[in-house]
Amino acid sequence: ETGVTQSPTHLIKTRGQQVTLRCSSQSGHNTVSWYQQALGQGPQFIFQYYREEENGRGNFPPRFSGLQFPNYSSELNVNALELDDSALYLCASSFGQARSGNTIYFGEGSWLTVV
Amino acid sequence: QKEVEQNSGPLSVPEGAIASLNCTYSDRGSQSFFWYRQYSGKSPELIMFIYSNGDKEDGRFTAQLNKASQYVSLLIRDSQPSDSATYLCAVKGARRGGSEKLVFGKGTKLTVNP
Repeated sequence: ETGVTQSPTHLIKTRGQQVTLRCSSQSGHNTVSWYQQALGQGPQFIFQYYREEENGRGNFPPRFSGLQFPNYSSELNVNALELDDSALYLCASSFGQARSGNTIYFGEGSWLTVV
Repeated sequence: QKEVEQNSGPLSVPEGAIASLNCTYSDRGSQSFFWYRQYSGKSPELIMFIYSNGDKEDGRFTAQLNKASQYVSLLIRDSQPSDSATYLCAVKGARRGGSEKLVFGKGTKLTVNP
């Protein structure tokens, strides 16, 4: 167990809809990152939040947005869903702004299917 | 050139053998290197991290880092069928603006045959 919890674990949405995924980070971790993992690929960095502010973003369009709350939990929102958004969405927590040896733990992920 | 490259495999080894997984990366400023194990349908599980040149051992696992060659590897000794999974190499670059972004390879699928 990594102490990182995500919800929901599985969901099915229709193209054009919006989805919100949630993540609770490991106790004491102030940094949350989100990744998208398509089938057969490695995870791709979406963005990171540190102390409630976005602190780095990957090559994803603006319809991917997020929030981090004062308790360091986080949400990933995706608007105008497309079929290619079908993937495993992973939340990772860490103690940010730390040394090189800082470890990064993933939650169990949210499987999103867009039909 | 892709940022992090791994042989996609599949890599097949007999039970009890040594499995060797390799990874190269392009960003010379990379600071930390991670190996994750991912079972089918599950999320990545951290096995080891390394940030200094040389070897780091943890049980049956040894991570090796050579920054001059931009190469990191994972050795699994006495491989077990339960080690059958996809192994992901991830690299954390130099902190630019504080982001702790991990860049992943596509993963190597390992099968250990009983």
